Amino acid sequence: AQSVTQLGSHVSVSEGALVLLRCNYSSSVPPYLFWYVQYPNQGLQLLLKYTTGATLVKGINGFEAEFKKSETSFHLTKPSAHMSDAAEYFCAVKPGANSKLTFGKGITLSVRP
Amino acid sequence: DAGVTQSPTHLIKTRGQHVTLRCSPISGHKSVSWYQQVLGQGPQFIFQYYEKEERGRGNFPDRFSARQFPNYSSELNVNALLLGDSALYLCASSLMDSYGYTFGSGTRLTVV
Repeated sequence: AQSVTQLGSHVSVSEGALVLLRCNYSSSVPPYLFWYVQYPNQGLQLLLKYTTGATLVKGINGFEAEFKKSETSFHLTKPSAHMSDAAEYFCAVKPGANSKLTFGKGITLSVRP
Repeated sequence: DAGVTQSPTHLIKTRGQHVTLRCSPISGHKSVSWYQQVLGQGPQFIFQYYEKEERGRGNFPDRFSARQFPNYSSELNVNALLLGDSALYLCASSLMDSYGYTFGSGTRLTVV
């Protein structure tokens, strides 16, 4: 079985500061990992995904994440926060190409001027 | 190209009623999945369909059912609505044997 842990429910950073959103997973098989962003009253938008290959994955809007198997982590980072980054962020895992996504509870990112 | 489209965007139902939610996948995508997102939580898997066949079912009661049509669009049906069914229902489409899901904007269901 797969599970995702996103510690904390809210992260607040200043505009221009580093963004770090943590994600740890549990999977019985090599996982495929995803980060999604959700703006108010909208659906989910894929930020980036790890399937195979390079463990440092670059996504849209300047975000990137690193798959660390030894730490079972897939933390999301962005060097410099922008006001438009304020949203809900979800980490998700799935064990195979045709399997379901298992999501974490999400983290709300606030960006202070 | 159009993305995943869901209808309606919002609706309000009374306890005990039935509801049908609709989803049109991205052109060429033959797999459709449904997720329920309760306020303040991550989405929970309900169903996956491929080529009109159910390929997966989450831990939801039998009041929840779905189907996929020859044009790959899908319906999610919920019978005997409960207050706890109030949520954002998300549809996602994908190519089979693919890692990526594209989500629609969802249907916000409120049960009163």
